[in-house]
Parts: sequence; C-alpha cells; structure tokens
Amino acid sequence: KAGVTQTPRYLIKTRGQQVTLSCSPISGHRSVSWYQQTPGQGLQFLFEYFSETQRNKGNFPGRFSGRQFSNSRSEMNVSTLELGDSALYLCASSSGTSGTGELFFGEGSRLTVL
Amino acid sequence: QKEVEQDPGPLSVPEGAIVSLNCTYSNSAFQYFMWYRQYSRKGPELLMYTYSSGNKEDGRFTAQVDKSSKYISLFIRDSQPSDSATYLCAMSVSFGNEKLTFGTGTRLTIIP
Repeated sequence: KAGVTQTPRYLIKTRGQQVTLSCSPISGHRSVSWYQQTPGQGLQFLFEYFSETQRNKGNFPGRFSGRQFSNSRSEMNVSTLELGDSALYLCASSSGTSGTGELFFGEGSRLTVL
Repeated sequence: QKEVEQDPGPLSVPEGAIVSLNCTYSNSAFQYFMWYRQYSRKGPELLMYTYSSGNKEDGRFTAQVDKSSKYISLFIRDSQPSDSATYLCAMSVSFGNEKLTFGTGTRLTIIP
C-alpha cells in the first residue's frame, strides 16, 4: 500500500511570493492534516480536512489555507511568504474515525523563503 | 509557555542501555498521549498510544502517563543503534481528534 506522497519535496521562494503544496493520502483515508515543523517550535498543527470539509484549524494567520478534493487529495497554500515561513511542511493522513491518534506522515515539503 | 515541554537533548547512550524520554504538559484536557519516532529526512511514525493514566508496553518500549503530575515518559530497553532518531511526544484532547499538540522532540543517538 502506497504511503503519503507530498510534492514538491524541496522548494525555494522569495518573500512576498505564494506557494502551493500537494498531498496524496493513503488510499481509503479521508482525513488529511497539515503540520509545520521548525527547529524552535517543533510540529505545529495547521488544519485538518475530512471529506472535503475543514474539521479543525490551528492558530496560523489567514495566509495559510488549504483544501481537499473529492479524491481526498489535499493542497495547502501560503500567500505573501515571510522569512519565518521557512519550514518543513508535513502532511498526514488517517481514516479520520479510528480515534487512535495514528497519523501517517509523508516525508514533507521543505520550503525555504529568501 | 508551551502546552507541551520536551527536553530537546541531544541524548547519547551506549547500546544496550535503558533510555528514558519525558514530556510535561500544562493542559489538563489532554486525554490521549502518543509517542512518535522521526528518522532523519523522514516523517514521524507512531510508536505508542495510550489513553489517560497508566502504563503500556510494546516489546522493548514502555509508555507511562501520570495525569496527576502532567508527565509522560517513554522507556526503551536494550537500546539498539537503529533506535537513533528524534522522539516526539504528542497529545490530544478528544477521541478521533487529528489535532495533535507535539513536543519539540528529543534527538537520541545510540552508540554501538
């Protein structure tokens, strides 16, 4: 069974630009969550989508947005990039109903903002 | 102050030693506690999952939760070089909640 796939794996942007990251969850999983990982803050929850609806949202500014498609694939977008947005963005999928806390993470998209 | 505090290490121990990793938290609403392991350049993977207070054992790994002290631990017995990774504690407030609050992670190296 294929794992969670994130694209692109690495990207470099400049301040003020916008970026779109993509995530394909494990087949059959309906929940996709996004996390930002930085050395100082660790993993921080951005948002979660379940069956195309945002079910949970973290404490990030409105520049961070996401969506989920009918095939459960998800994208997140960051507009007006700032230097502090440099991070590893991790996507995780789950059934969304098991309640075990088991999220299956992808390898991440590493964003560098110059 | 962060909701979940975790000593970032790094922690280096010889092969075969017992490793103790810990997290403290401030939000008494946390009910579900997890430990994830993250190898370099990989995403985290779930190691252990526990609900409320108590112990849970899985092979060489034991997770402990003390809700009265807001303290959780992960013990690794007979540590192996393959255990070298970053260990992240994570918590959530409700069943089926994919919103996890993570510690910053402890980097562990097992020396052969």
